[in-house]
Amino acid sequence: KQEVTQIPAALSVPEGENLVLNCSFTDSAIYNLQWFRQDPGKGLTSLLLIQSSQREQTSGRLNASLDKSSGRSTLYIAASQPGDSATYLCAVSRYGGSQGNLIFGKGTKLSVKP
Amino acid sequence: NAGVTQTPKFQVLKTGQSMTLQCAQDMNHEYMSWYRQDPGMGLRLIHYSVGAGITDQGEVPNGYNVSRSTTEDFPLRLLSAAPSQTSVYFCASSYQGPPRGSPLHFGNGTRLTVT
Repeated sequence: KQEVTQIPAALSVPEGENLVLNCSFTDSAIYNLQWFRQDPGKGLTSLLLIQSSQREQTSGRLNASLDKSSGRSTLYIAASQPGDSATYLCAVSRYGGSQGNLIFGKGTKLSVKP
Repeated sequence: NAGVTQTPKFQVLKTGQSMTLQCAQDMNHEYMSWYRQDPGMGLRLIHYSVGAGITDQGEVPNGYNVSRSTTEDFPLRLLSAAPSQTSVYFCASSYQGPPRGSPLHFGNGTRLTVT
Protein backbone atom coordinates (compact mmCIF):
# COMPACT_ATOMS: atom_id res chain seq x y z
CA LYS A 1 0.00 0.00 0.00
CA GLN A 2 1.36 3.40 -1.01
CA GLU A 3 2.05 5.72 1.91
CA VAL A 4 3.18 9.32 1.64
CA THR A 5 4.97 11.00 4.52
CA GLN A 6 5.93 14.63 5.02
CA ILE A 7 8.37 15.58 7.72
CA PRO A 8 8.40 17.90 9.57
CA ALA A 9 4.72 18.53 10.24
CA ALA A 10 5.49 22.17 10.95
CA LEU A 11 8.36 24.51 10.18
CA SER A 12 9.07 28.10 11.17
CA VAL A 13 11.77 30.14 9.45
CA PRO A 14 12.80 33.81 9.29
CA GLU A 15 12.04 35.78 6.16
CA GLY A 16 14.67 35.50 3.44
CA GLU A 17 15.81 32.00 4.32
CA ASN A 18 16.05 29.28 1.69
CA LEU A 19 14.23 26.14 2.80
CA VAL A 20 13.50 22.56 1.78
CA LEU A 21 10.31 20.62 2.38
CA ASN A 22 10.44 16.83 2.22
CA CYS A 23 8.08 14.21 0.86
CA SER A 24 8.70 10.46 0.89
CA PHE A 25 6.66 7.62 -0.57
CA THR A 26 6.89 3.87 -0.06
CA ASP A 27 6.17 2.55 -3.58
CA SER A 28 8.34 3.88 -6.39
CA ALA A 29 5.83 2.80 -9.10
CA ILE A 30 4.32 6.25 -9.56
CA TYR A 31 3.17 8.18 -12.64
CA ASN A 32 3.85 11.58 -11.19
CA LEU A 33 4.06 13.67 -8.05
CA GLN A 34 2.37 16.99 -7.36
CA TRP A 35 3.10 19.67 -4.81
CA PHE A 36 0.20 21.76 -3.53
CA ARG A 37 -0.22 24.77 -1.31
CA GLN A 38 -3.20 25.19 1.02
CA ASP A 39 -4.02 28.48 2.72
CA PRO A 40 -6.25 28.43 5.84
CA GLY A 41 -9.91 27.92 4.95
CA LYS A 42 -9.10 27.49 1.28
CA GLY A 43 -8.71 24.71 -1.23
CA LEU A 44 -5.45 23.38 -2.57
CA THR A 45 -3.50 25.15 -5.29
CA SER A 46 -1.28 23.05 -7.54
CA LEU A 47 2.29 24.38 -7.53
CA LEU A 48 4.31 21.87 -9.52
CA LEU A 49 3.72 18.51 -11.18
CA ILE A 50 6.68 16.22 -11.89
CA GLN A 51 6.22 13.30 -14.24
CA SER A 52 7.98 10.07 -13.26
CA SER A 53 10.43 10.51 -16.16
CA GLN A 54 11.49 13.94 -14.93
CA ARG A 55 13.99 14.85 -12.24
CA GLU A 56 12.80 18.35 -11.41
CA GLN A 57 10.42 21.18 -12.18
CA THR A 58 10.82 24.90 -11.51
CA SER A 59 8.37 27.75 -11.14
CA GLY A 60 9.69 31.10 -9.99
CA ARG A 61 11.25 30.68 -6.53
CA LEU A 62 10.06 27.08 -6.30
CA ASN A 63 11.99 24.02 -7.41
CA ALA A 64 10.74 20.49 -6.94
CA SER A 65 12.91 17.43 -7.40
CA LEU A 66 11.99 13.77 -7.71
CA ASP A 67 14.09 10.69 -6.97
CA LYS A 68 11.85 7.72 -7.69
CA SER A 69 14.38 5.08 -6.77
CA SER A 70 14.74 6.42 -3.25
CA GLY A 71 11.06 7.37 -2.93
CA ARG A 72 11.73 11.03 -2.23
CA SER A 73 10.79 14.47 -3.44
CA THR A 74 11.84 17.86 -2.17
CA LEU A 75 10.32 21.29 -2.61
CA TYR A 76 12.91 24.05 -2.45
CA ILE A 77 11.70 27.58 -1.72
CA ALA A 78 14.25 30.33 -2.33
CA ALA A 79 14.29 33.60 -0.42
CA SER A 80 11.18 32.82 1.62
CA GLN A 81 8.58 35.53 2.23
CA PRO A 82 5.76 35.88 4.80
CA GLY A 83 3.32 35.29 1.93
CA ASP A 84 4.75 31.78 1.56
CA SER A 85 3.20 30.85 4.90
CA ALA A 86 0.78 28.01 4.22
CA THR A 87 0.51 24.24 4.41
CA TYR A 88 2.34 22.41 1.64
CA LEU A 89 1.15 18.97 0.57
CA CYS A 90 2.59 16.45 -1.82
CA ALA A 91 0.60 13.75 -3.61
CA VAL A 92 1.60 10.80 -5.76
CA SER A 93 -0.34 9.30 -8.62
CA ARG A 94 0.20 5.58 -8.64
CA TYR A 95 0.01 2.72 -11.07
CA GLY A 96 -2.82 0.26 -10.52
CA GLY A 97 -5.12 0.40 -7.51
CA SER A 98 -8.17 2.63 -7.65
CA GLN A 99 -8.04 4.61 -10.86
CA GLY A 100 -8.29 8.29 -10.26
CA ASN A 101 -6.66 8.24 -6.88
CA LEU A 102 -3.96 10.53 -5.66
CA ILE A 103 -2.31 9.60 -2.38
CA PHE A 104 -1.70 12.70 -0.27
CA GLY A 105 0.73 13.35 2.51
CA LYS A 106 -0.56 15.16 5.59
CA GLY A 107 1.39 18.28 4.79
CA THR A 108 4.03 20.58 6.28
CA LYS A 109 2.73 23.78 7.83
CA LEU A 110 5.21 26.54 6.99
CA SER A 111 5.42 29.82 8.86
CA VAL A 112 7.73 32.53 7.54
CA LYS A 113 8.36 35.23 10.15
CA PRO A 114 8.97 38.84 9.07
CA ASN B 1 -12.62 32.55 -15.00
CA ALA B 2 -14.32 30.99 -11.97
CA GLY B 3 -12.46 27.64 -11.95
CA VAL B 4 -14.07 25.17 -9.51
CA THR B 5 -17.05 26.52 -7.57
CA GLN B 6 -18.47 24.76 -4.53
CA THR B 7 -21.67 25.60 -2.68
CA PRO B 8 -22.52 25.99 0.11
CA LYS B 9 -19.40 27.07 2.00
CA PHE B 10 -20.80 26.02 5.36
CA GLN B 11 -23.58 23.63 6.32
CA VAL B 12 -24.95 22.21 9.57
CA LEU B 13 -27.10 19.09 9.40
CA LYS B 14 -28.85 16.95 11.94
CA THR B 15 -28.20 13.23 11.99
CA GLY B 16 -30.33 11.49 9.38
CA GLN B 17 -30.86 14.51 7.15
CA SER B 18 -29.84 14.43 3.52
CA MET B 19 -28.30 17.13 1.38
CA THR B 20 -26.39 17.77 -1.84
CA LEU B 21 -23.06 19.50 -2.09
CA GLN B 22 -22.74 21.28 -5.41
CA CYS B 23 -19.63 21.46 -7.58
CA ALA B 24 -19.26 23.16 -10.94
CA GLN B 25 -16.23 23.82 -13.14
CA ASP B 26 -15.93 26.00 -16.20
CA MET B 27 -12.64 24.65 -17.57
CA ASN B 28 -14.14 21.84 -19.66
CA HIS B 29 -12.30 19.27 -17.55
CA GLU B 30 -13.22 15.64 -18.07
CA TYR B 31 -12.02 14.49 -14.65
CA MET B 32 -13.80 15.54 -11.47
CA SER B 33 -13.53 14.21 -7.95
CA TRP B 34 -14.63 14.65 -4.35
CA TYR B 35 -12.27 14.50 -1.39
CA ARG B 36 -12.82 14.87 2.32
CA GLN B 37 -10.18 16.36 4.57
CA ASP B 38 -10.04 15.41 8.23
CA PRO B 39 -7.45 16.34 10.87
CA GLY B 40 -4.83 13.63 11.16
CA MET B 41 -6.26 11.71 8.19
CA GLY B 42 -5.30 13.96 5.32
CA LEU B 43 -7.25 14.03 2.08
CA ARG B 44 -9.21 10.95 1.06
CA LEU B 45 -10.99 10.31 -2.23
CA ILE B 46 -14.75 9.71 -2.01
CA HIS B 47 -15.91 9.40 -5.63
CA TYR B 48 -14.60 10.45 -9.00
CA SER B 49 -15.69 10.78 -12.62
CA VAL B 50 -13.69 10.57 -15.83
CA GLY B 51 -16.46 12.04 -17.97
CA ALA B 52 -20.18 12.69 -18.23
CA GLY B 53 -22.14 9.57 -17.37
CA ILE B 54 -19.14 7.81 -15.78
CA THR B 55 -18.54 7.64 -12.04
CA ASP B 56 -16.57 5.36 -9.76
CA GLN B 57 -15.85 4.87 -6.09
CA GLY B 58 -12.77 6.10 -4.31
CA GLU B 59 -11.32 5.17 -0.96
CA VAL B 60 -14.25 6.16 1.29
CA PRO B 61 -17.52 6.04 -0.73
CA ASN B 62 -19.96 4.71 1.89
CA GLY B 63 -22.80 7.09 2.68
CA TYR B 64 -22.29 9.20 -0.45
CA ASN B 65 -23.76 9.18 -3.96
CA VAL B 66 -22.66 11.02 -7.08
CA SER B 67 -23.84 11.50 -10.63
CA ARG B 68 -22.35 13.25 -13.66
CA SER B 69 -24.99 14.30 -16.15
CA THR B 70 -22.94 17.14 -17.63
CA THR B 71 -19.24 17.86 -18.02
CA GLU B 72 -19.55 20.92 -15.79
CA ASP B 73 -21.36 19.59 -12.72
CA PHE B 74 -20.55 16.86 -10.20
CA PRO B 75 -22.85 16.96 -7.15
CA LEU B 76 -22.19 14.90 -4.02
CA ARG B 77 -25.21 13.61 -2.14
CA LEU B 78 -25.23 12.62 1.51
CA LEU B 79 -28.02 10.09 1.88
CA SER B 80 -28.47 10.07 5.67
CA ALA B 81 -25.98 12.29 7.46
CA ALA B 82 -23.96 10.87 10.34
CA PRO B 83 -21.61 12.66 12.79
CA SER B 84 -18.71 10.73 11.18
CA GLN B 85 -19.35 12.75 8.02
CA THR B 86 -18.40 15.98 9.75
CA SER B 87 -15.52 17.14 7.58
CA VAL B 88 -14.34 19.61 4.97
CA TYR B 89 -15.29 18.49 1.48
CA PHE B 90 -13.33 19.48 -1.60
CA CYS B 91 -14.23 19.13 -5.23
CA ALA B 92 -11.34 18.95 -7.69
CA SER B 93 -11.03 18.73 -11.45
CA SER B 94 -8.36 18.32 -14.09
CA TYR B 95 -7.98 17.93 -17.83
CA GLN B 96 -6.68 14.40 -17.38
CA GLY B 97 -7.26 12.53 -14.16
CA PRO B 98 -4.78 10.38 -12.30
CA PRO B 99 -2.78 8.38 -12.94
CA ARG B 100 -1.66 10.17 -16.13
CA GLY B 101 -2.21 13.42 -14.40
CA SER B 102 -2.72 17.05 -15.12
CA PRO B 103 -2.57 19.65 -12.37
CA LEU B 104 -5.57 19.24 -10.12
CA HIS B 105 -7.74 22.32 -9.51
CA PHE B 106 -9.58 22.50 -6.20
CA GLY B 107 -12.62 24.42 -5.05
CA ASN B 108 -12.57 26.31 -1.74
CA GLY B 109 -14.40 23.58 0.12
CA THR B 110 -17.62 23.01 2.02
CA ARG B 111 -17.32 22.76 5.80
CA LEU B 112 -19.99 20.33 6.98
CA THR B 113 -20.99 19.72 10.58
CA VAL B 114 -23.40 16.91 11.49
CA THR B 115 -24.91 17.11 14.97
